[in-house]
Amino acid sequence: DIQMTQSPSFLSASVGDRVTINCKASQNINKYLNWYQQKLGEAPKLLIYYTNNLQTGISSRFSGGGSGTDYTLTISSLQPEDFATYFCLQHNSFPTFGSGTKLEIK
Amino acid sequence: QVQLKESGPGLVQPSQTLSLTCTVSGFSLTSYSIHWVRQHSGKSLEWMGRMWSDGDTSYHSAFTSRLRISRDTSKSQVFLQLNSLQTEDTGTYYCASSLHTLGITDWGQGVMVTVSS
Repeated sequence: DIQMTQSPSFLSASVGDRVTINCKASQNINKYLNWYQQKLGEAPKLLIYYTNNLQTGISSRFSGGGSGTDYTLTISSLQPEDFATYFCLQHNSFPTFGSGTKLEIK
Repeated sequence: QVQLKESGPGLVQPSQTLSLTCTVSGFSLTSYSIHWVRQHSGKSLEWMGRMWSDGDTSYHSAFTSRLRISRDTSKSQVFLQLNSLQTEDTGTYYCASSLHTLGITDWGQGVMVTVSS
């Protein structure tokens, strides 16, 4: 199974900050990497698919990048509604998720 | 509009079988794959298995011996059966859809399952 190492586990930031979340795969996943946002009591919501494609309806302050084994999610200017938990998912082979990053207000 | 909704019992006794249903609308099960994903309270997501659009199934190695996923395309439903439940199986169970190489795109609201006597 492909392991996904997500960092950091916790991130404290302020409104307006730029933040980056990382996911590292145990082997090349050929850009088959999605990012999700999850708020308490809700299902995950797709933000980015295939590394850098913005899902319909998602703000352009979210962007993704990477290749091979290393991938990033960047939020350019944090808004109050962005404070949530973020997960990566590789689907190059049997799907595996990162362990999550909880983004909190500083 | 793609929609998925899970249903099933909220409480199951240890050693019993969990049966969940995912009812979908807005798309055909013969075009999309349906995944089952679970989440322990406040923790990460765990992929359990998948019903492919052609009716084939794939399972996570951790569940192969006690998980079965099936479907009824006429009712737009996908089923999960998980045997030999333990307290560690407590969590929220989601069904989710994927299309071709996009990965999981849409999720149901989830159903919380507690395994307890």
